[in-house]
Amino acid sequence: DADVTQTPRNRITKTGKRIMLECSQTKGHDRMYWYRQDPGLGLRLIYYSFDVKDINKGEISDGYSVSRQAQAKFSLSLESAIPNQTALYFCATSEVSYNEQFFGPGTRLTVL
Amino acid sequence: AQSVTQLDSQVPVFEEAPVELRCNYSSSVSVYLFWYVQYPNQGLQLLLKYLSGSTLVKGINGFEAEFNKSQTSFHLRKPSVHISDTAEYFCAVSRVSGNTPLVFGKGTRLSVIA
Repeated sequence: DADVTQTPRNRITKTGKRIMLECSQTKGHDRMYWYRQDPGLGLRLIYYSFDVKDINKGEISDGYSVSRQAQAKFSLSLESAIPNQTALYFCATSEVSYNEQFFGPGTRLTVL
Repeated sequence: AQSVTQLDSQVPVFEEAPVELRCNYSSSVSVYLFWYVQYPNQGLQLLLKYLSGSTLVKGINGFEAEFNKSQTSFHLRKPSVHISDTAEYFCAVSRVSGNTPLVFGKGTRLSVIA
């Protein structure tokens, strides 16, 4: 079984809809991250959490919110989706020691 | 704060030729360095990492990278590429101390031509 899972893997939605992307991990890591990937822009950090009670904004947090429900679960929400949020979204986890990150398979989100 | 520059956005290379993907970083403190690979329609996986010790680091699939502190570089190399190496490659940097996430470069797309 995969160590970092993301649901759904693909989602098409309409402008203005609320969307939640979910991430679960079995690696036992305290640290979790949400990134979006756009062609030519690489990976950009949206939010990160270093433990259950810690939430931090990343480079591009506007229009997004997160919830850390447990050590193993970290959800990303788009309160009112817009077309420029169409992207590939990745969840990742890491240990405290070296910050090496382990990625989920990604969620492809299309906002029409 | 740390930053990463991948000097080439796209690198085309013929099969069995050598390749070098360039990465420079900026940091005022000691760092850990990583290369990740993303194959088409997949997530990112770790290719190799530099934490300490030998500056020449070997990774999976025949790749290696050399940490050069004076030039603040961490270039990725492979002596002979295969079609299956076609992918996007990301360089990333992390502070040795301090609670800050990895900082990624914008990626280099390697296309291996038969």
